[in-house]
Amino acid sequence: GDSVTQMEGPVTLSEEAFLTINCTYTATGYPSLFWYVQYPGEGLQLLLKATKADDKGSNKGFEATYRKETTSFHLEKGSVQVSDSAVYFCALFRYQGAQKLVFGQGTRLTINP
Amino acid sequence: EAGVTQFPSHSVIEKGQTVTLRCDPISGHDNLYWYRRVMGKEIKFLLHFVKESKQDESGMPNNRFLAERTGGTYSTLKVQPAELEDSGVYFCASSRLVGGGPGNEQFFGPGTRLTVL
Repeated sequence: GDSVTQMEGPVTLSEEAFLTINCTYTATGYPSLFWYVQYPGEGLQLLLKATKADDKGSNKGFEATYRKETTSFHLEKGSVQVSDSAVYFCALFRYQGAQKLVFGQGTRLTINP
Repeated sequence: EAGVTQFPSHSVIEKGQTVTLRCDPISGHDNLYWYRRVMGKEIKFLLHFVKESKQDESGMPNNRFLAERTGGTYSTLKVQPAELEDSGVYFCASSRLVGGGPGNEQFFGPGTRLTVL
């Protein structure tokens, strides 16, 4: 079945550091890929998405490129801020068949000033 | 536009008791989903409503869990009797379009943290 594997956390970085959170997936067909973020005390928010191969999703300085050849969707940011501290979830969604999000296990990110 | 709301935000119950979680989706959203995150692991799908009908309940753990969606509006998820392994965060999400599509974003509520002692 479909699955998502993402980088184990927690991840701790200093402000202005470069961030990469790895995400790979297993799925039949051509799923859409997402990064969701959960800030402390809040619900999940969609951070960015890509719906087909080679698409790049971007938002708030974060980027991720849908790489079908490596089945990956790694999240990157060039210069993180303390306010980026949160839990990040990679997920996939297939529009044919069961319409549900399949999530990775989440990566807790802490940014120190 | 009001977001997805969930009630309660926290619930602490003893093993064997019953708990009912409520989700109010965004007005006009036909799709409603329940997910659960247990012990810091991945968020797992429980079930999917389209309006008042259960479209997919393949993720429901067992028959102690019962979900309903009255009149296609709010939804409840009842756990009876609760067991220790039911502890976790229960998320509700809703989306507008029936049938999906690339623009069919799921909007999540803040979750209900359930602790079974």
